[in-house]
Amino acid sequence: AQRVTQPEKLLSVFKGAPVELKCNYSYSGSPELFWYVQYSRQRLQLLLRHISRESIKGFTADLNKGETSFHLKKPFAQEEDSAMYYCALGWANNLFFGTGTRLTVIP
Amino acid sequence: NAGVTQTPKFQVLKTGQSMTLQCAQDMNHEYMSWYRQDPGMGLRLIHYSVGAGITDQGEVPNGYNVSRSTTEDFPLRLLSAAPSQTSVYFCASSPPLGSYNEQFFGPGTRLTVL
Repeated sequence: AQRVTQPEKLLSVFKGAPVELKCNYSYSGSPELFWYVQYSRQRLQLLLRHISRESIKGFTADLNKGETSFHLKKPFAQEEDSAMYYCALGWANNLFFGTGTRLTVIP
Repeated sequence: NAGVTQTPKFQVLKTGQSMTLQCAQDMNHEYMSWYRQDPGMGLRLIHYSVGAGITDQGEVPNGYNVSRSTTEDFPLRLLSAAPSQTSVYFCASSPPLGSYNEQFFGPGTRLTVL
C-alpha cells in the first residue's frame, strides 16, 4: 500500500540557514511525488513535482528511489518560507499526503 | 476565473444534523475530490470523481456521500454529523486524467460538530 512519511511535525531554522524537510514513501510502482505548501491564510498549492526537476522559490527536491525519499531542500531559508509543507504521492489521479511539517524561519 | 470555491467557510452542527458542503470550479476540470485535514494526520481523501456521473470512495468515505451531476459542482453531504467529523474540509480539482496534473484546492470549510 502507498504511504508517505514526514517524520518532523515541526522544524525551526534561522534565516539564511539551510533547510531540509524530509519525506519518505512506500510504493511498489514508479512514484509520482509532489510537495504542496500552505502559507498562513492561503490555499494549499503545489510547490513542485519530481517529474519537472525544477527549482521553485529556491526549493529543490530529488527523488531517491534507493532510499525511497523525496526530501525538500533550500540552501538559504527566508522568513517567507514559513508555512506548512506536505509531501504527497500521486496514484490514479489521487494524492496521498504525509502528515505535514510546519516550518518556521526565525529572523 | 474564481478557481475552486467552497461554501460555507465555517459551520457548526449538532450531532445528528445533516448538511451539504458545496464545491464548485470554473476551470472545466474533470477530476474533483474532497479531503479532510486533521491535526497530525495530514489530508485524507474522502471521495473523488473523474467526471460527471462518476464518483468513487477514497481513504475515509464513511459518513459522507457525494454526487457529480455537473462538471462544475461536487457537493459533499453529511447525513448524520458526528463529533469525529469535526475537521477542515478541502475540495480540489484537476484537469483531465493524467498522473502529473496539479490539483487546485479551495479555501476550505471549517466544520465543528458538537
